[in-house]
Amino acid sequence: AAGVIQSPRHLIKEKRETATLKCYPIPRHDTVYWYQQGPGQDPQFLISFYEKMQSDKGSIPDRFSAQQFSDYHSELNMSSLELGDSALYFCASSFLPGRSNEQFFGPGTRLTVL
Amino acid sequence: DAKTTQPNSMESNEEEPVHLPCNHSTISGTDYIHWYRQLPSQGPEYVIHGLTSNVNNRMASLAIAEDRKSSTLILHRATLRDAAVYYCILRSGNTGKLIFGQGTTLQVKP
Repeated sequence: AAGVIQSPRHLIKEKRETATLKCYPIPRHDTVYWYQQGPGQDPQFLISFYEKMQSDKGSIPDRFSAQQFSDYHSELNMSSLELGDSALYFCASSFLPGRSNEQFFGPGTRLTVL
Repeated sequence: DAKTTQPNSMESNEEEPVHLPCNHSTISGTDYIHWYRQLPSQGPEYVIHGLTSNVNNRMASLAIAEDRKSSTLILHRATLRDAAVYYCILRSGNTGKLIFGQGTTLQVKP
């Protein structure tokens, strides 16, 4: 079965550079979530989209922005990168948002900021 | 968002049942109880969820207290591949975001 695809899987950037992470949800899934997991930490919700509209926002820095496109894939844009942005970034998708729906997670993108 | 409390870590022997507890005394009537797990170097993985009644699926069982202030995830026969961090999460609202708290690190001994 098709899973959530994230690219790239690994990314190394310098401080103050920009990065773009991509997420391709499971076919027919219309909702995308982004999570950040720092070293030794639990995943933290960043932002979510439903039908190409932002549906919720968590502790996402102003330097980050995201959007969901007409084909439902999503991109997380990160600017002015800081050392503290080094983390695993997970994308998850579901069919419809809501309290009872299962989220399917991708393998993550490991971002290292030097 | 309502909070959950889980033990930091638990140990189990392979092929024995494991009961992972979760307290959520401030749960509201519309909160769903979800369990996800995260294996080393992987993204979180859905395990099971419920609202009021006990639930079973191919991975596990979820036992929910009558007052809904606690729940227990039951792995009927632990395998080495079940070693992971298990998160008990209350989901409220309509957007479906997951708020991960401190989970339980399960070690499975052969």
